[in-house]
Amino acid sequence: EDKVVQSPLSLVVHEGDTVTLNCSYEVTNFRSLLWYKQEKKAPTFLFMLTSSGIEKKSGRLSSILDKKELFSILNITATQTGDSAIYLCAVEGSARQLTFGSGTQLTVLP
Amino acid sequence: DAGVTQSPTHLIKTRGQHVTLRCSPISGHKSVSWYQQVLGQGPQFIFQYYEKEERGRGNFPDRFSARQFPNYSSELNVNALLLGDSALYLCASSRDLTEAFFGQGTRLTVV
Repeated sequence: EDKVVQSPLSLVVHEGDTVTLNCSYEVTNFRSLLWYKQEKKAPTFLFMLTSSGIEKKSGRLSSILDKKELFSILNITATQTGDSAIYLCAVEGSARQLTFGSGTQLTVLP
Repeated sequence: DAGVTQSPTHLIKTRGQHVTLRCSPISGHKSVSWYQQVLGQGPQFIFQYYEKEERGRGNFPDRFSARQFPNYSSELNVNALLLGDSALYLCASSRDLTEAFFGQGTRLTVV
């Protein structure tokens, strides 16, 4: 059974701080790892990672995958209050379905 | 292009009733997946359809069923509702079977 574990479960920081969110996984026949941001309802797509060691970057957000150690990190630099959300990590395996972790609740205080 | 649209946005049902949730994928996307998200947890996979065929089923009872129509829209049906079925039901569409984009979800409350 595919499994995704995210840590920490919750995090409270102040604006301007840098945060690192962790995602470890076990999956049969890994295809991809995805990060989503969920503010109220719809998870919004952030990154899809398929290859080890290649950093994906979008503005203040970046992510990298380590397929040997079976984990990924999501970094957010210079955090803003608008970054407050639940960050979800999901993996896609041979079944071509997404298995999600429980998410990290990030709160950014002004 | 419109994103993934789901209806209704909110729904209240009584135990034992039946419910139908609807999803329209992004134009050009042929795959639709359904997820259940209970409070404090990540979404859990229910079904995936691609080109109108079921491609995957999660660990849910037979009370849950779904189908995909020729225009690629989809319905999720849940029979004999239980209190534990209260959740946010999310639909995701993708062009093939990867990089899913989610709708706003349907918040189902069973009382």
